[in-house]
Formats: sequence, structure tokens, C-alpha cells
Amino acid sequence: AQKVTQAQTEISVVEKEDVTLDCVYETRDTTYYLFWYKQPPSGELVFLIRRNSFDEQNEISGRYSWNFQKSTSSFNFTITASQVVDSAVYFCALSDVSGAGSYQLTFGKGTKLSVIP
Amino acid sequence: EAQVTQNPRYLITVTGKKLTVTCSQNMNHEYMSWYRQDPGLGLRQIYYSMNVEVTDKGDVPEGYKVSRKEKRNFPLILESPSPNQTSLYFCASSFDGTGPFYGYTFGSGTRLTVV
Repeated sequence: AQKVTQAQTEISVVEKEDVTLDCVYETRDTTYYLFWYKQPPSGELVFLIRRNSFDEQNEISGRYSWNFQKSTSSFNFTITASQVVDSAVYFCALSDVSGAGSYQLTFGKGTKLSVIP
Repeated sequence: EAQVTQNPRYLITVTGKKLTVTCSQNMNHEYMSWYRQDPGLGLRQIYYSMNVEVTDKGDVPEGYKVSRKEKRNFPLILESPSPNQTSLYFCASSFDGTGPFYGYTFGSGTRLTVV
């Protein structure tokens, strides 16, 4: 069955520290997508990245970077030089084919990141 | 602007008083879905719709109803709300009718409190 595990429930860092949010997934499919979403205190869900299962290249976007490793079924997210505005709940998600033959999106339970000034 | 619009953003209601949360998208998306978000439980799917007049249950459908009479609209109906339905609700849409393989466009959320 599809599963996304974010083992870190809450993380606190001091501003300017680097922080990595872990995401481990399970799927039987060979074709799937992985996502990260950010949920700031205002509550909306902000899309950060989508990665397909055939592209294991790491991605960097400003202070954000993502490390995708199929060998360990992980899709970790690193924030470099964290800032207070990075304080949010971050969700990892997996889309693949459900048992009924349609696609589904499975979310992890989220990691709450607090960046302390 | 391409978007999913949910209303209201905030709602406080009393137990048993029927309510509807509206959701509308302007992207001609086939697939629409409702999620609820609760602390420690993440996002859980309530209902989804692959097209007009096609709806199906998600993981937590009890106490909810939906309808899809038009492609753009997918309202969530709580016939008799109870306090355990206090939650943050998200509507989402995806262009692929078979599901959110490429991800979702999310609405801004509706924070519902049932007292």
C-alpha cells in the first residue's frame, strides 16, 4: 500500500542554521510523482516541488534543495540558512496508481518547522 | 487567474445545523476532491469526483455529502454537523480525470468549527 512517512513531527532551529526534513515513501509502482508542500501559519497549501520517479537529479531552488534517492525511497528537503519566514508545516506527498486503477495522492503527516530568531 | 475558490474561509456553526462549503475552479479541471486536515493526522481525503455526476468516497466520507452537477463546482455538504467535524477543509482540483497524478491546485482552505 502507498505510504508516506515524515518521522519528524516538529523541528526547531535557530535562524541561519541549515535544516533537513525527511520523507520516506512506499509504493509498488515504478512510475510515480513526489511532492513537497508548505503550509504557513495562514493555512494555505503552497506547492514547492514535483519530481517524477525517473528523475533522480537533485534540485536546488535558492535556499531550498531536494535529494531524491530511489535506493532508499527517500525524498528529503533541505533549507539552507533558514529564516523566520520558513516557519511552517511541510508536507511530503506521493502520487501513484491506487488499487482501483485511478491515481491518488497520499500525504505524510507533516513536519512543523519553527525557526527561532 | 487560475484558481480554486472556497467559501467561506471561516465558519462557526452549531451542532446539527446543515451547512455547505462551496468550491469552484476556473481551469476546466476534470478531477476535484475534498480533504480535511487535523493535527497529527495530516490531510485525509473525504470525497472525490472524476467528472460531472461521478463521485466516490475517499478515506473519511462519514457525515459528508458532495455533488458534481457542473464541472466547475464541487460543494461539500454537512447535513448534520457534529463537533468531530471541526477541522480545516481543502478543496483541490486536477486536470487529469483519473486523479491527481501531476498534483493538485488547492483552494485556500475553510476553517470550520462546530460547537
